[in-house]
Amino acid sequence: QKEVEQNSGPLSVPEGAIASLNCTYSDRVSQSFFWYRQYSGKSPELIMSIYSNGDKEDGRFTAQLNKASQYVSLLIRDSQPSDSATYLCAVRGGNQFYFGTGTSLTVIP
Amino acid sequence: ETGVTQSPTHLIKTRGQQVTLRCSSQSGHNTVSWYQQALGQGPQFIFQYYREEENGRGNFPPRFSGLQFPNYSSELNVNALELDDSALYLCASSLAGTPIYGYTFGSGTRLTVV
Repeated sequence: QKEVEQNSGPLSVPEGAIASLNCTYSDRVSQSFFWYRQYSGKSPELIMSIYSNGDKEDGRFTAQLNKASQYVSLLIRDSQPSDSATYLCAVRGGNQFYFGTGTSLTVIP
Repeated sequence: ETGVTQSPTHLIKTRGQQVTLRCSSQSGHNTVSWYQQALGQGPQFIFQYYREEENGRGNFPPRFSGLQFPNYSSELNVNALELDDSALYLCASSLAGTPIYGYTFGSGTRLTVV
């Protein structure tokens, strides 16, 4: 049984700060990792994917993967109020994706 | 525009009733996957259909069933609705099974069971 765990939050950061979201997973063979953003009442939106150890940057977002520690993180630089949402970590396993319960982020103006 | 459309967007059903949710896949995609997202939880895999055959199922009882049609659109049917079935139901399509690049979900169907 694959498990994905996220820090429960809620997380509040001031506008312009760095938001750090963390995720651990239980299956050592997982190869694909994802971050989704979900606004209230909407469906999840894919914002980042990472497959190799290290960092992957896309604009203000950086995903970090450490397979040895089974740890994935998402950093949001220069946080904006529009980043306020729930962030879901997902791991691909077999023919499905396993999701964490999400971390709620609030960016305070 | 994701290319995946779901209908209806919202519906309310009574406990014990049956419901059918619909998903139109993105053009060219032959695989449809369904997920259930309860309030405050992450999406959970219900099942996947590939070329009209079920291709994997999560930990959901048999009263959750599905179909995929020759045009690769899909239906999710839930019989004997229970209050705990209240959730956002998400559909995603892909080409040839589960993509390594992640899903793009449809806008979802919000089901409320009263």
